[in-house]
Amino acid sequence: DAKTTQPPSMDCAEGRAANLPCNHSTISGNEYVYWYRQIHSQGPQYIIHGLKNNETNEMASLIITEDRKSSTLILPHATLRDTAVYYCIVRVPNSGGYQKVTFGTGTKLQVIP
Amino acid sequence: GAVVSQHPSWVICKSGTSVKIECRSLDFQATTMFWYRQFPKQSLMLMATSNEGSKATYEQGVEKDKFLINHASLTLSTLTVTSAHPEDSSFYICSAHHPNQPQHFGDGTRLSIL
Repeated sequence: DAKTTQPPSMDCAEGRAANLPCNHSTISGNEYVYWYRQIHSQGPQYIIHGLKNNETNEMASLIITEDRKSSTLILPHATLRDTAVYYCIVRVPNSGGYQKVTFGTGTKLQVIP
Repeated sequence: GAVVSQHPSWVICKSGTSVKIECRSLDFQATTMFWYRQFPKQSLMLMATSNEGSKATYEQGVEKDKFLINHASLTLSTLTVTSAHPEDSSFYICSAHHPNQPQHFGDGTRLSIL
């Protein structure tokens, strides 16, 4: 799995958009970008994933650059409940029987009232 | 969507005892499950891959005789921490692979060894 780089921490005002960047310059053509978050003392929660097109769901939007070397997770209207550690992961989906997800250090997002 | 249940959510026990943690996929069959450990203020570290009907694959540095993994059915994997000691105190998290969905994680088990 390709390595990712994320800033260790970010602050965002409540109600504003939170934009979390991720660099994955060594991503290969068949690797997807996945985002998970971990709220304190809970298991990771899946947010969104994509290959090359921008994606949006009820939780967030994912913007992937044209060269696919970086991406941005956007939480359009951050709330206090969005305070968590956000992990960006790149991997090949359904890659044989070995589907492990390897976590980096992630970005600790603090939403401020 | 797919849901993974982990039990117990927390456990406190004396040093030297063995502790079993269960991980269940609730509405899908999971041929592969994963076990992670997380120490305070650190990221999740993969311990092992649990494969239904075969031996688990352990990551480097993880003692297979210390952390016994059994994946006897397509919906259940168990992790047993044998002869637990205070240094085994941690947050243990399982995940299950669904063939057509992203990996789903349990809510974790906080293990405290006195």
